[in-house]
Amino acid sequence: GQSLEQPSEVTAVEGAIVQINCTYQTSGFYGLSWYQQHDGGAPTFLSYNGLDGLEETGRFSSFLSRSDSYGYLLLQELQMKDSASYFCAVRARMDSSYKLIFGSGTRLLVRP
Amino acid sequence: DAGVIQSPRHEVTEMGQEVTLRCKPISGHNSLFWYRQTMMRGLELLIYFNNNVPIDDSGMPEDRFSAKMPNASFSTLKIQPSEPRDSAVYFCASRETGTRQGTDTQYFGPGTRLTVL
Repeated sequence: GQSLEQPSEVTAVEGAIVQINCTYQTSGFYGLSWYQQHDGGAPTFLSYNGLDGLEETGRFSSFLSRSDSYGYLLLQELQMKDSASYFCAVRARMDSSYKLIFGSGTRLLVRP
Repeated sequence: DAGVIQSPRHEVTEMGQEVTLRCKPISGHNSLFWYRQTMMRGLELLIYFNNNVPIDDSGMPEDRFSAKMPNASFSTLKIQPSEPRDSAVYFCASRETGTRQGTDTQYFGPGTRLTVL
């Protein structure tokens, strides 16, 4: 089967650093993506890790450890606008196709 | 670039009625995905197309749901007959070809919020 686990909610202070963890169990694992979704909005792509290690994109970084089936999203210099839900998504190969399997999301609340 | 376009943005209908959701992917993208999002079940993949051909419809909940992609710029998701448990936000997403090997960046439309009374 396929499963992803991430915390349901995280609260942090503006200007701080927050880490959102994601653990997964999946067959045909190919990579780990992160998406951001504001209330009432659509998911938008943040980052992708196909290999172990850290990927940095501005204030956001994402990490993957294939051996631990674990990844995280790191948000630095938090801003109020970062309040949103963050989804990890496994890219998995099943049969002859690739699909994204989304976690249940982590709701991040940034306080002043 | 207009992004992925979905219509309608909101749909309220009565149980038993037919519902048709529409999607126009980003030009040049050859993969199209339909997702459903609810509080209880999160974001679920319903079906996806590659070059207008359905590749994986294992997420389609039951025979009341059907999807078509008659050409590269248009897809529909139809529910007939609709039921209250179908109430959700339905997202369409498209994916670009020729992206960096191994990536799977999907671009989501704004979604259709469906309410079945």
